[in-house]
Amino acid sequence: EAGVAQSPRYKIIEKRQSVAFWCNPISGHATLYWYQQILGQGPKLLIQFQNNGVVDDSQLPKDRFSAERLKGVDSTLKIQPAKLEDSAVYLCASSFDRPYEQYFGPGTRLTVT
Amino acid sequence: GENVEQHPSTLSVQEGDSAVIKCTYSDSASNYFPWYKQELGKRPQLIIDIRSNVGEKKDQRIAVTLNKTAKHFSLHITETQPEDSAVYFCAASTGGFKTIFGAGTRLFVKA
Repeated sequence: EAGVAQSPRYKIIEKRQSVAFWCNPISGHATLYWYQQILGQGPKLLIQFQNNGVVDDSQLPKDRFSAERLKGVDSTLKIQPAKLEDSAVYLCASSFDRPYEQYFGPGTRLTVT
Repeated sequence: GENVEQHPSTLSVQEGDSAVIKCTYSDSASNYFPWYKQELGKRPQLIIDIRSNVGEKKDQRIAVTLNKTAKHFSLHITETQPEDSAVYFCAASTGGFKTIFGAGTRLFVKA
């Protein structure tokens, strides 16, 4: 089966600019996750969707981050405006249901200068 | 807030020796504990998981143990090989919600 797809793979922006990431989960996976992984740290859950509804966004900095999952399939994560501390790898993951194995995408490496 | 502590942060073993990584969680409602392996520049991949109704689970050279009373769980890798070198993350979740990852353990297996 095809894996979790993410784009772009790399992005360099200046602080205060905006950026958006896209994720296409494995077909049939109801649960979708966005994580932020800062270099040398474990992934930090930003938001979790069950189908197209948000079930956990407690660690999402809502003043600058937003995410949506239209039609319960693809998802986008947006940062506006970006700060230097947002430099990280943004990982998307999906699972058939919860709590089951999460399959991770290749990630988007964001550098904010 | 809830957290997962992982130790050690770095572990170096000789090929063929065993490696043990330990994690402690704070949320007593946690009931699902996966372990992920992340090679340099690659995505995390699940290597083993355990649910709170089980005390131990084994898959070939990898085993995980869970002590719910003490709120800690451990990963055991026997007969380590150079290809086991990677960063290992533990995680804890409550019914698949609020997954919290540990900070990671960088394992070096010396040939």
